[in-house]
Amino acid sequence: GAGVSQSPSNKVTEKGKDVELRCDPISGHTALYWYRQRLGQGLEFLIYFQGNSAPDKSGLPSDRFSAERTGESVSTLTIQRTQQEDSAVYLCASSFWGRGRVGELFFGEGSRLTVL
Amino acid sequence: DQQVKQNSPSLSVQEGRISILNCDYTNSMFDYFLWYKKYPAEGPTFLISISSIKDKNEDGRFTVFLNKSAKHLSLHIVPSQPGDSAVYFCAASRVVGAQKLVFGQGTRLTINP
Repeated sequence: GAGVSQSPSNKVTEKGKDVELRCDPISGHTALYWYRQRLGQGLEFLIYFQGNSAPDKSGLPSDRFSAERTGESVSTLTIQRTQQEDSAVYLCASSFWGRGRVGELFFGEGSRLTVL
Repeated sequence: DQQVKQNSPSLSVQEGRISILNCDYTNSMFDYFLWYKKYPAEGPTFLISISSIKDKNEDGRFTVFLNKSAKHLSLHIVPSQPGDSAVYFCAASRVVGAQKLVFGQGTRLTINP
């Protein structure tokens, strides 16, 4: 498809388990972002990738969270030893860096994570 | 530290009337502001933006106003339509550097027929 694709759309896991969330950005988009939205909260920045530059990890809430990106394509967000407070919708977005409207991110539909 | 705040979690407006959504920010380094719209089970989509060198930007039924001295922006929708019912997020950024948007908590707008 032409949009940002995320999988799984829903994930229920037990506390203490590891989870992986996947994002396929729009082809040709150089920038990729992960945000999360906890219930009743706004979108919280997690991490940002731009080309071959070192990622901006300033939003990762703890060392249990990590993310990787293969070139300018797929990204995986990994949460180790999940906790109940990790329950949220995890949103991936991509954009052209330096092209298009400033700040226009294209979001996927999100992966809803529930930690029991 | 909530740098971008939307103090109204919800707003209900009659169809055809004006909807006004408000947003406040605290970081004076922000120089670009955006509104995103989100329907249930979908990702947010870009709606309209404004640079800090302007105080107004209009796109069809949507107008964003920026008051830098008050660190306040608002989104006006005129006339409001049922399809405008959604959650609206205010976001702020710096033009220079990573386009890392800081979002508010969102306001759920309901347009009543």
